[in-house]
Amino acid sequence: SQQGEEDPQALSIQEGENATMNCSYKTSINNLQWYRQNSGRGLVHLILIRSNEREKHSGRLRVTLDTSKKSSSLLITASRAADTASYFCATSLPPQEYIFGTGTRLKVLA
Amino acid sequence: NAGVTQTPKFQVLKTGQSMTLQCAQDMNHNSMYWYRQDPGMGLRLIYYSASEGTTDKGEVPNGYNVSRLNKREFSLRLESAAPSQTSVYFCASSLTGNNEQFFGPGTRLTVL
Repeated sequence: SQQGEEDPQALSIQEGENATMNCSYKTSINNLQWYRQNSGRGLVHLILIRSNEREKHSGRLRVTLDTSKKSSSLLITASRAADTASYFCATSLPPQEYIFGTGTRLKVLA
Repeated sequence: NAGVTQTPKFQVLKTGQSMTLQCAQDMNHNSMYWYRQDPGMGLRLIYYSASEGTTDKGEVPNGYNVSRLNKREFSLRLESAAPSQTSVYFCASSLTGNNEQFFGPGTRLTVL
């Protein structure tokens, strides 16, 4: 069964706006990662947040993690047309399994 | 560095045929993974290999076998393909089990 569920399933915004997507999961994790997938391509790692961290930044990306609610959010600030892609959260479970969510399809309109 | 490479890029099989998907990485990673991606389902883990010489089942292993040939290569075999195995297959690698994964470009497989 799917461990991670992203919300919303699809999001359409104007260039320059912020995009927020959420991920919920079911069991205890080692860490949580966010990936981007452009249409027809492989996934690209964006950011990793460990279970003992609450917030992390990387460029225009901000990730939060709430282990008590088993949820994470990804914020993309000042979005660009090039940010159009699908975004997936992935939870790292012991010993070495990764469980991916169903993804959020983001469309940034120029 | 080529990163993670997969062959072939596309494949069409008839039901009952067999084939092997090849994956290689040149990053000296210990862990390697095979996923399938179906529309609306995200990625699902088929098998993984935590280190050379070990393999473990993931969420959806039925109908597949794997071989960790050496540290660089991890192959996925379909012994008797079924239409339900029509999907896009991704190979990935990571330094260890708790690090970021690097993905290959994928193999688009259609089983008729």
